[in-house]
Amino acid sequence: DSGVTQTPKHLITATGQRVTLRCSPRSGDLSVYWYQQSLDQGLQFLIHYYNGEERAKGNILERFSAQQFPDLHSELNLSSLELGDSALYFCASSGGDLPEKLFFGSGTQLSVL
Amino acid sequence: QQQVKQSPQSLIVQKGGISIINCAYENTAFDYFPWYQQFPGKGPALLIAIRPDVSEKKEGRFTISFNKSAKQFSLHIMDSQPGDSATYFCAASQAGTALIFGKGTTLSVSS
Repeated sequence: DSGVTQTPKHLITATGQRVTLRCSPRSGDLSVYWYQQSLDQGLQFLIHYYNGEERAKGNILERFSAQQFPDLHSELNLSSLELGDSALYFCASSGGDLPEKLFFGSGTQLSVL
Repeated sequence: QQQVKQSPQSLIVQKGGISIINCAYENTAFDYFPWYQQFPGKGPALLIAIRPDVSEKKEGRFTISFNKSAKQFSLHIMDSQPGDSATYFCAASQAGTALIFGKGTTLSVSS
């Protein structure tokens, strides 16, 4: 168990809808990273938050947004969903601002029908 | 633009054999190179990592070999076991930026 909790584990929704994925980092970890995993693209970095502040953006679509709350949990919001958004979404946490020793959650499997 | 290229895509090794997975990168500013292991239904987990100031790092049966001039690094799994069957990802980062992952290698160790 990595100590990182992601909910829900599975999510099935329809095109055009909006969903929210939740991540609770390991106790004491200040950084949260979001990654999207698909068979053809592998693990793609989406966004990084450190202690409530956005630190870096990767290949995140404008339809996607995220935030990190004062209690350090993070949410990834996906809107106007398309079939191609179906993927496994991971969050990972680390103690500091560096991507060393990332601890990944078990992911949220999103299926857009 | 794929900044970290990983090969092979899949690998079958007999129990007790050596598994070798290779990665190549383009950005010479990368300064941190980890390997992650992922089992089905789980998130990736850090296996071993190296910085470019050393050419090799060993932890148990797992060794990273790093060739700075060739911009390549590889993971060697000695005495491969069925429990090592998983997907392995190499990654790289530059000056503390987010990790960029290779596309993964699915390793199957046959008993």
